[in-house]
Amino acid sequence: DIQMTQFPSSLSASVGDRVTITCRASQRISSYLSWYQQKSGKAPKLLIFGASSLQSGVPSRFSGSGSGTDFTLTITSLQPDDFATYYCQQSYNTPGTFGQGTKVEIK
Amino acid sequence: QLQLQESGPGLVKPSETLSLTCSVSGVSISSTGYYWGWIRQAPGKGLEWIGSIDQNGGGFYNPSLKNRITILGDTSENQFSLSLSSVTAADSAVFYCVRFVGAPAGTRGIDYWGRGTLVTVSS
Repeated sequence: DIQMTQFPSSLSASVGDRVTITCRASQRISSYLSWYQQKSGKAPKLLIFGASSLQSGVPSRFSGSGSGTDFTLTITSLQPDDFATYYCQQSYNTPGTFGQGTKVEIK
Repeated sequence: QLQLQESGPGLVKPSETLSLTCSVSGVSISSTGYYWGWIRQAPGKGLEWIGSIDQNGGGFYNPSLKNRITILGDTSENQFSLSLSSVTAADSAVFYCVRFVGAPAGTRGIDYWGRGTLVTVSS
């Protein structure tokens, strides 16, 4: 299985901050990387697919980049609604493994 | 509007078989380019890809679940199901039914999720 490692595992930030989350794959996965946002008690929501393609309806303050093994999710100007846990997931092959998550908390 | 809804028992005894159904509305599970499957999340833990089926019912499963898992599609009812046999407490989780776009693990993402159903394995 491809191992996905996210860091940091948690971070504290203020409204308006720029936040960057990193995801690293244990082998090259081209651009087969998606990002999800999960709020407490809710199902995850797709933010980014193909490493950098914004899912329809997702605010443009979310962006993704990277290819190969190293990827980032960036939130420019963090909003109150953005405090959640974020997961990366590779879809290069099955099983489609997820990172362990990054919890974004209010500073 | 596409919707997915999980149903099934919330409590299963150890060594028994966990069975869940996902009812899909708003699109046919026979649609080309999509895969239908399951993801689980143990309490307080991360997400685990369980498996998926294609439009023809062909299955793709997580090897970690070995031979315990079966996912079947029912096009007449527009639903699909999950069976996980020989369950233990470690299988307790929220189970989500989902739609994968483009490939069994979703090369264009997992764009629709059910609300999730908590299944507890306990005697």
